[in-house]
Amino acid sequence: RKEVEQDPGPFNVPEGATVAFNCTYSNSASQSFFWYRQDCRKEPKLLMSVYSSGNEDGRFTAQLNRASQYISLLIRDSKLSDSATYLCVVNSGAGSYQLTFGKGTKLSVIP
Amino acid sequence: DVKVTQSSRYLVKRTGEKVFLECVQDMDHENMFWYRQDPGLGLRLIYFSYDVKMKEKGDIPEGYSVSREKKERFSLILESASTNQTSMYLCASSRGGTSVDYNEQFFGPGTRLTVL
Repeated sequence: RKEVEQDPGPFNVPEGATVAFNCTYSNSASQSFFWYRQDCRKEPKLLMSVYSSGNEDGRFTAQLNRASQYISLLIRDSKLSDSATYLCVVNSGAGSYQLTFGKGTKLSVIP
Repeated sequence: DVKVTQSSRYLVKRTGEKVFLECVQDMDHENMFWYRQDPGLGLRLIYFSYDVKMKEKGDIPEGYSVSREKKERFSLILESASTNQTSMYLCASSRGGTSVDYNEQFFGPGTRLTVL
């Protein structure tokens, strides 16, 4: 079974802290990689795509290590509004439109 | 902006009833998906569709069927609702195509179904 594994947390961090989430995926043929954010009782929304070269969007940095089948998300200068569940997501194989979702890592940013 | 809408935010049904959940997307996306999300189990794929009148089973299709008569609309049907189908149901769509970025899925707001 193709899976995506994440630490469920919760991660409780103070405002301004830097926090890192990791995930591993089992399907070496996966080609699309994403981090989604899901607020309580809301739908998941794309936070950022993850590219082999690594990419940054403001306070968020994503890294991909294909050899180790490992994806990371770094959040700098955490805000209260960053409190959410972060889902690691990969497509289910070469050319597949299906996505496999991790169960998520819960982040609480504390004043 | 891509918009995915679902017919109801909250729904309460009785055991044995036939339930229809409808999803509409307005961005001409090829692919549509139905998931359910339960605490501790994450998102699980029920059915998906790559084209009109086309459907494929996901990981947990038992007790469900789907219909896609038009490109923009994808319906999930519970033929005879049971209490273990109480869940949050999420519809999603994606563009499809050769670019890996086209796999991004856009979600509707979800339908929280309770079966009594």
